[in-house]
Amino acid sequence: GDSVTQMEGPVTLSEEAFLTINCTYTATGYPSLFWYVQYPGEGLQLLLKATKADDKGSNKGFEATYRKETTSFHLEKGSVQVSDSAVYFCALTGTLLNDYKLSFGAGTTVTVRA
Amino acid sequence: KAGVTQTPRYLIKTRGQQVTLSCSPISGHRSVSWYQQTPGQGLQFLFEYFSETQRNKGNFPGRFSGRQFSNSRSEMNVSTLELGDSALYLCASSLTETGGAFFGQGTRLTVV
Repeated sequence: GDSVTQMEGPVTLSEEAFLTINCTYTATGYPSLFWYVQYPGEGLQLLLKATKADDKGSNKGFEATYRKETTSFHLEKGSVQVSDSAVYFCALTGTLLNDYKLSFGAGTTVTVRA
Repeated sequence: KAGVTQTPRYLIKTRGQQVTLSCSPISGHRSVSWYQQTPGQGLQFLFEYFSETQRNKGNFPGRFSGRQFSNSRSEMNVSTLELGDSALYLCASSLTETGGAFFGQGTRLTVV
């Protein structure tokens, strides 16, 4: 079945450092890919998405490019802030029509120090 | 535009009891999905409803059930609670399968 593997954490960075979280997926066909962020005590927020190969999703300084050849969707941010401290989840939806089910990676905890 | 609303936010139940959680989706979203989040298993899909019909179901025992009403609001029920059911239960609504799901803040269920 569909699955997502993402970089294990935790990741600790200093403010203004570069952040990369690796994400690879296994799926038949062409899934849609997502990054979600979860702040302590809250639900998940959709951070960005990409629906086809070579699409680049971006939001709040974060970017990720849908790479079909490497089945990857790595998340990057050039200069992190303390407020970026959170858990980040890579996810995909299935490739069947009307398949809204999300398959998530295990999550990567990111801590940014001032 | 109001987001996804889940009630209650916190619940404490005793083993063997049952519980009902509620979710109001974003207006216009007809798909509602439920997920269980635990430290050990991560985020696991429970089920998805669309126009009052269950379209997809995860690998959970029959004690977990749900329903959707004509206004798209959804409830999930867990009967005969076990300690292992302690988790954050997240509801999400979607407009399309490629648009992404929008999550509520979750219901934190503790079974004692």
